[in-house]
Amino acid sequence: NAGVMQNPRHLVRRRGQEARLRCSPMKGHSHVYWYRQLPEEGLKFMVYLQKENIIDESGMPKERFSAEFPKEGPSILRIQQVVRGDSAAYFCASSPPAIPDGYTFGSGTRLTVV
Amino acid sequence: AQSVSQHNHHVILSEAASLELGCNYSYGGTVNLFWYVQYPGQHLQLLLKYFSGDPLVKGIKGFEAEFIKSKFSFNLRKPSVQWSDTAEYFCAVNAGNAGNMLTFGGGTRLMVKP
Repeated sequence: NAGVMQNPRHLVRRRGQEARLRCSPMKGHSHVYWYRQLPEEGLKFMVYLQKENIIDESGMPKERFSAEFPKEGPSILRIQQVVRGDSAAYFCASSPPAIPDGYTFGSGTRLTVV
Repeated sequence: AQSVSQHNHHVILSEAASLELGCNYSYGGTVNLFWYVQYPGQHLQLLLKYFSGDPLVKGIKGFEAEFIKSKFSFNLRKPSVQWSDTAEYFCAVNAGNAGNMLTFGGGTRLMVKP
């Protein structure tokens, strides 16, 4: 049990559809981070959020991608009008306000665009 | 902005061989350093971390890493690898001026032959 819950584990979307990926952070963690892992590539930072705030979105593509972390409920990474190149594993991590233990990662959502 | 380099993208070893994976970072100030492991099909898990004190850090599963400040390095080592160590290994750095942000290296894929 990773403590950070991501769902769904696998998501298949046709080109042009929307993908919604959810992440519930570990209990007591108020910071959420989204990463994308493309086949044969490393982990690429996308966005860092706190409750109701986007802290750093420097890794987010300018179009079609958005993220939120509402006051209540999970963080959502939303990809509109998906394309084949969006196929990847998307990992969410969470941390408490201080960093000493690093991040705790979820099991990821594997998005396949057909 | 800080960067993290892992020079070995793929490493193949036989069981019982010794392992050293390189990690170099670019930030000159205070850093917190991490190594994560990702077993096939799984999420990232923390192997070990360095914050301060003894620069030789021991982690889980017999892994250790040494922080050499003058070389901006935090190499991961294991004296004798096992087949079960087959995984991808990620170095990550939290720079003192980066708040909670972790910057990850590109990862090293380790394959241990039985």
